[in-house]
Amino acid sequence: NAGVMQNPRHLVRRRGQEARLRCSPMKGHSHVYWYRQLPEEGLKFMVYLQKENIIDESGMPKERFSAEFPKEGPSILRIQQVVRGDSAAYFCASSPRGGRATDTQYFGPGTRLTVL
Amino acid sequence: DAKTTQPTSMDCAEGRAANLPCNHSTISGNEYVYWYRQIHSQGPQYIIHGLKNNETNEMASLIITEDRKSSTLILPHATLRDTAVYYCIVSREGAGSYQLTFGKGTKLSVIP
Repeated sequence: NAGVMQNPRHLVRRRGQEARLRCSPMKGHSHVYWYRQLPEEGLKFMVYLQKENIIDESGMPKERFSAEFPKEGPSILRIQQVVRGDSAAYFCASSPRGGRATDTQYFGPGTRLTVL
Repeated sequence: DAKTTQPTSMDCAEGRAANLPCNHSTISGNEYVYWYRQIHSQGPQYIIHGLKNNETNEMASLIITEDRKSSTLILPHATLRDTAVYYCIVSREGAGSYQLTFGKGTKLSVIP
């Protein structure tokens, strides 16, 4: 059973470009979470999605960031007009149900975004 | 959610037990204690969680004090592959509880 998959693993963008990060949850998981880890920091929650629904985006920056989890295909975290401060590791996690604390989240390997 | 305090770093000899402490003195009755670890350049990995009772699984044991103000993660026979940053997280059950908040954690170095 494949784990959570993220691609690309490394992404380099120039300031002002768009970044698209993809996450395929574990088979049978319909709940996806995105986290960001700035250098030398712990992970911070960004957004929680179920298929075709954004459940909680309270951790997302108000501008330039968006996320989706369509009926078919991976979840996408999109960052428009990237700035140097967006350089970070972005992790996706999935769980089989509920979005509760006791539903274990399984993390992917992350996408490391570097903005030049 | 209750705040946690962990030592910045620890060393452990290979083959010995690694005991990682966590203080969560403001924990409330419906908050769980979770442990995750992050091996260098990888995503976090779930280890174990508990509410009141001690817990054990194939990876580790979790000892929670009776007053629940602190806990200890025990890796019974540490190997070099256990070198990682270990995060203690306290999270309540209920709305928004999926928002795991990772602090700085404890960097465990297992030494040959």
